[in-house]
Amino acid sequence: AQSVTQLGSHVSVSEGALVLLRCNYSSSVPPYLFWYVQYPNQGLQLLLKYTSAATLVKGINGFEAEFKKSETSFHLTKPSAHMSDAAEYFCAVSGNTNAGKSTFGDGTMLTVKP
Amino acid sequence: NAGVTQTPKFRILKIGQSMTLQCTQDMNHNYMYWYRQDPGMGLKLIYYSVGAGITDKGEVPNGYNVSRSTTEDFPLRLELAAPSQTSVYFCASSYAQTGQSGNTIYFGEGSWLTVV
Repeated sequence: AQSVTQLGSHVSVSEGALVLLRCNYSSSVPPYLFWYVQYPNQGLQLLLKYTSAATLVKGINGFEAEFKKSETSFHLTKPSAHMSDAAEYFCAVSGNTNAGKSTFGDGTMLTVKP
Repeated sequence: NAGVTQTPKFRILKIGQSMTLQCTQDMNHNYMYWYRQDPGMGLKLIYYSVGAGITDKGEVPNGYNVSRSTTEDFPLRLELAAPSQTSVYFCASSYAQTGQSGNTIYFGEGSWLTVV
């Protein structure tokens, strides 16, 4: 069984401030972890993913996430928010025994204030 | 590249009507999925397929049917539409070798369905 919990359905930051979106996972097998971004009226697209290589993963648009097994976390960060980062962000987990299916969190809506 | 294409983008159905959401992908992916997205609820898997001729239920399959006659196409059928099926539907695909995981999922742009 696998699950994802995203802490905070809405996060608001000022432009230039640190972005921190929290994700905790549960998985009975070594997990693969993903962050996807969804812009308004669009489908989801991959930001970054962890597949058991380096624990610090760098993605597109300056985002990165760190896999911490001891904390079962995969938080997403960006040092300096930009207005174009405003979107909904989804954390997802998959394992090696579930036919490639991913389980998604409920999403975190990021608002960036000027 | 077209990627994952789904149609229609918007549709209003009356209670009890049926319809099919079409989905096609041109990336030769073996896995295909249908998700629904309700506000604040994330994505729920309806059905998935690991290859042509093979389909399986996800978390919320009731009221839906799928088929996978070709690698490219994965239509979702709604029988006897109900207001609870008002949602945004996403078709998606991925490629994975047998026994592997961690595969990136590629999404279509969504289909907004309202049942009244």
